[in-house]
Amino acid sequence: GENVEQHPSTLSVQEGDSAVIKCTYSDSASNYFPWYKQELGKRPQLIIDIRSNVGEKKDQRIAVTLNKTAKHFSLHITETQPEDSAVYFCAASSYGNNRLAFGKGNQVVVIP
Amino acid sequence: NAGVTQTPKFQVLKTGQSMTLQCAQDMNHEYMSWYRQDPGMGLRLIHYSVGAGITDQGEVPNGYNVSRSTTEDFPLRLLSAAPSQTSVYFCASSYEQGTEQFFGPGTRLTVL
Repeated sequence: GENVEQHPSTLSVQEGDSAVIKCTYSDSASNYFPWYKQELGKRPQLIIDIRSNVGEKKDQRIAVTLNKTAKHFSLHITETQPEDSAVYFCAASSYGNNRLAFGKGNQVVVIP
Repeated sequence: NAGVTQTPKFQVLKTGQSMTLQCAQDMNHEYMSWYRQDPGMGLRLIHYSVGAGITDQGEVPNGYNVSRSTTEDFPLRLLSAAPSQTSVYFCASSYEQGTEQFFGPGTRLTVL
């Protein structure tokens, strides 16, 4: 099955700086790559997703890039704010495979 | 819309007891799934369903049963609780594979 890995496990950034989280996946058939944000004690919520026919997608301060050849995708957060502090999960799934495989998560700490 | 709801929010069981975690959604989603979240392990898929009457195993199905008699409900049954099942359980639903999964608020289960 699909194996998704995230690096680094913890990331500390100064407020206003950028944060980048990278995920790798194993199944070349994967075609859907969402990112979820989970604040302490709350449920995961989708913040952005990308499909394999697109190389990059942006939504205000958040962007995701996909490199199908290298089988990795990254989350970019610009102008970080304290409310960006959370655990971020990447995931992957392929068409026809109803399983969404999650990475283990990255703790992002934004230092005011 | 209430979205995805889960009951109970907290539960303490003794080893060997059985119980059912309830999950319901009012978005007419075909796809529903159960995850468990343990520290440092991310979200691991237990069971999922692609529609009423159809269920399948995920990554960690042992010790859990599911059924999907209606589109709205997807209960998770613990047959004989073990301390290793101490975890936070999330139910999620989506319109179809490859679309946003909406998570419930979670159930925190402790097995003594």
